[in-house]
Amino acid sequence: AQSVTQLGSHVSVSEGALVLLRCNYSSSVPPYLFWYVQYPNQGLQLLLKYTSAATLVKGINGFEAEFKKSETSFHLTKPSAHMSDAAEYFCAVSSSDNFNKFYFGSGTKLNVKP
Amino acid sequence: GAVVSQHPSRVICKSGTSVKIECRSLDFQATTMFWYRQFPKKSLMLMATSNEGSKATYEQGVEKDKFLINHASLTLSTLTVTSAHPEDSSFYICSASVGTGSKSPLHFGNGTRLTVT
Repeated sequence: AQSVTQLGSHVSVSEGALVLLRCNYSSSVPPYLFWYVQYPNQGLQLLLKYTSAATLVKGINGFEAEFKKSETSFHLTKPSAHMSDAAEYFCAVSSSDNFNKFYFGSGTKLNVKP
Repeated sequence: GAVVSQHPSRVICKSGTSVKIECRSLDFQATTMFWYRQFPKKSLMLMATSNEGSKATYEQGVEKDKFLINHASLTLSTLTVTSAHPEDSSFYICSASVGTGSKSPLHFGNGTRLTVT
């Protein structure tokens, strides 16, 4: 069975500071992992995905994530937060029987202070 | 780019009535669509997998008689919340893909906010 755990339901950073959102996964097969962002009352936008190629994945808006098998982690980072990054972020893992069927983490709400 | 459209974006209904939510792939044929439910301040929970021309596959704990899913064509899946109650109030999101592999693009709709009074 596949699942992800996001530590920290709320993260607050100052504008210009490092953003680190944590995600740990559990999977019976090599996982495919994703990070999505959701703005209020909107759908989901894909930030980046890991599909067993390079372990360091670069996404949109300056975000990146590193797959670490030894730590079963896929943490999302951005060197310098921008006010427009304030949103909810979801980590997800693909089901083993369908790449596009996702199991999501509980989400982390990112607040960016001026 | 490819777009998945959900309709309506918001709906308010009275307790006991049924509500239908549509998920359309606008410029591609979606062999598979997924329905998710997002509780307030919570994550997205996968409800079911909808395959064109066959019965939906429901996740454990999801009432299939309560949440009726029909995938009648390659561009349309519908979710009907039957005899809605206030606890069914939620944000429902669909996603659509052409296939199942990692090369198959996946697109999410913008969601439907259901409020049952």
